[in-house]
Amino acid sequence: KQEVTQIPAALSVPEGENLVLNCSFTDSAIYNLQWFRQDPGKGLTSLLLIQSSQREQTSGRLNASLDKSSGRSTLYIAASQPGDSATYLCAVSHGSSNTGKLIFGQGTTLQVKP
Amino acid sequence: DAGVIQSPRHEVTEMGQEVTLRCKPISGHNSLFWYRQTMMRGLELLIYFNNNVPIDDSGMPEDRFSAKMPNASFSTLKIQPSEPRDSAVYFCASSSSLSRLAGQETQYFGPGTRLLVL
Repeated sequence: KQEVTQIPAALSVPEGENLVLNCSFTDSAIYNLQWFRQDPGKGLTSLLLIQSSQREQTSGRLNASLDKSSGRSTLYIAASQPGDSATYLCAVSHGSSNTGKLIFGQGTTLQVKP
Repeated sequence: DAGVIQSPRHEVTEMGQEVTLRCKPISGHNSLFWYRQTMMRGLELLIYFNNNVPIDDSGMPEDRFSAKMPNASFSTLKIQPSEPRDSAVYFCASSSSLSRLAGQETQYFGPGTRLLVL
C-alpha cells in the first residue's frame, strides 16, 4: 500500500530564508508527483507536477525535485515571503498508468515571519 | 470560469440526519473527485468519476456514503444517516482526462464543505 509522508509537519522561518520541504513515498511505482498549496479554509492549488521520468520542475521561486528510486521529493522555496505561509501537500499518482487517483501526504504547515 | 463550485460551504446537522453535498465541476472537465480531509487522516480520496461513471469507490468508508453524477456538470455526495465521526471538510475536484493523457493533469479543487455532525 502506497504511503506518503511529509517532514516536518510544521516549520517556522524568518522572511528571506531559503527552505526545503520533504516528501517520501513507500512505493516507487508512481506516474507523477504533485505539490499543492492549501491556505486556511480554502481548497488546494496545484504548484508543480513532476512526471516519473523527470528529475525536477521549476516555477518562479519554487523548485521541486524527484528521486523515484529512493522514494523522495523535495520542494525548495527560495527567498521565502510571508505570503508563502500555507500548508504544502505532496501527492503521488500511484501506478504505472495515470488513473488520476492521488494519494496525499499529511502536509507541512509553513509560517514565514516578517 | 468560476472554478469548482461546492455547496453548502458549511453544514451543521444532528446525528442521524441525511446530508447532501453538491459539486459543480469546471466546464469541460470530465473527471470528478470527492475527498475528505480530517486532522487525523489527512486528505483521502473517497470516489472518482470519469465521464459521469464511477471508476473507483474504494475510499468510500461505508454504505452510509453514496455519490452520484447524473450529468457532466453536477455531482452529489450523500451521507445517510450521518454520524459525528463524519465531521470533516469535504472537497470536490475536477480535471480533464485529455490533459491527463498528455501527462499534464492538474486537479482543480473547490473551496470545500465544512461538515459538523452533532
